[in-house]
Amino acid sequence: EVQLVESGGGLAQPGGSLRLSCAASGFTFRTYSMNWVRQAPGKGLEWVSYISSSGNNIYYADSVKGRFTISRDNAKNSLLLQMSSLRPEDTAVYYCAREVDTTIFIDFWGQGTLVTVSS
Amino acid sequence: QSVLTQPPSVSGAPGQRVTISCTGSSSDIGSSYHVHWYQQLPGTAPKLLIYDNTNRPSGVPDRFSGSKSGTSASLAIAGLQAEDEADYYCQSFASSRSAYVFGTGTKVTVL
Repeated sequence: EVQLVESGGGLAQPGGSLRLSCAASGFTFRTYSMNWVRQAPGKGLEWVSYISSSGNNIYYADSVKGRFTISRDNAKNSLLLQMSSLRPEDTAVYYCAREVDTTIFIDFWGQGTLVTVSS
Repeated sequence: QSVLTQPPSVSGAPGQRVTISCTGSSSDIGSSYHVHWYQQLPGTAPKLLIYDNTNRPSGVPDRFSGSKSGTSASLAIAGLQAEDEADYYCQSFASSRSAYVFGTGTKVTVL
């Protein structure tokens, strides 16, 4: 059974940092591209970042560029999102999402982890 | 950062057919990138509904269908059922920004 389990969410202060993790199982992680997508409370979906299966290609949304860093460890079947210089508008549920390589769509989503940025 | 426009809401009686539009531009949908659709039931993670404009993943009922023309796409739900009440999002790719783009989302209500 395919599973994506996010962790690391919680309360952070404006200007602070947080590190999200996503543990993947039930599929060959190293052959899939991965994404982070977020959803602010009561709002729509917003794509955050993409990383190719090898980790060689990485994209970011303009709203997080220079503040967030996506990475992956194919040996540990894990996806990471290092978030720094956090702003209140980063408050959202963050979803880890799987993509069949180069298809540019998400075929499986995790259940999400809530990040709240507030003083 | 949504660049794909959807109607905020659509509604229909059980058994009716509803359609949801998704309007982009020459930089995304019009650049020959496919459109994909996701269904998000209340309190749950999104689920892939339609990929590559018209294709349904295994397990998605054939009541759901997609189409694309020019800079727009549409999702149709035929024979509307109570369990179809959800938010629906389109998604494509904006090559000029190397960014995935989602639609603004549409809430479907079954009357």
